[in-house]
Amino acid sequence: KAGVTQTPRYLIKTRGQQVTLSCSPISGHRSVSWYQQTPGQGLQFLFEYFSETQRNKGNFPGRFSGRQFSNSRSEMNVSTLELGDSALYLCASRQQRNTGELFFGEGSRLTVL
Amino acid sequence: QKEVEQDPGPLSVPEGAIVSLNCTYSNSAFQYFMWYRQYSRKGPELLMYTYSSGNKEDGRFTAQVDKSSKYISLFIRDSQPSDSATYLCATDTGGFKTIFGAGTRLFVKA
Repeated sequence: KAGVTQTPRYLIKTRGQQVTLSCSPISGHRSVSWYQQTPGQGLQFLFEYFSETQRNKGNFPGRFSGRQFSNSRSEMNVSTLELGDSALYLCASRQQRNTGELFFGEGSRLTVL
Repeated sequence: QKEVEQDPGPLSVPEGAIVSLNCTYSNSAFQYFMWYRQYSRKGPELLMYTYSSGNKEDGRFTAQVDKSSKYISLFIRDSQPSDSATYLCATDTGGFKTIFGAGTRLFVKA
């Protein structure tokens, strides 16, 4: 069974640009969550999608957005990039919303110059 | 105040040592407690999963939850160099939104 797949794995952008990251969850998993990981702040929750609807949102500005498609694949978008957006963005899936284990992808490492 | 506090370390121990990793949390509604392990350049993977207070053992790993003091612990016995990783505690109220600690970097020296 394939794991969670995130693309691209690495990318470099400049301030003011926008970026879109993609996540394919494990087959049969309907819940997709996104996290931002930085050395100073650790793993911070961005949002969770289930059945194409955002169900939960963390404390991030509106520049961070996402969506989920009918096949459960998800994308997140960051507009007007800032230097502080440099981070590892992790996607995690689980079968249902109320089961514990999150299955993580290897992440997309974003560098903003 | 963060909902889950964890000392980022790093923590360096010799091979064979007993390792103790700890977290505190603030929300008494949290019921599920997890430890994830993250190797360099990889995503976190679930190591231990417990519900409510008590101990859970799995091989060399023991997870302990004390809800009265809002304290979460992970013990690693007979630590190995392959245990070198970042360990993240996590908790939630029953799915929906899992909150992570900052992670503790552990180095086990051969």
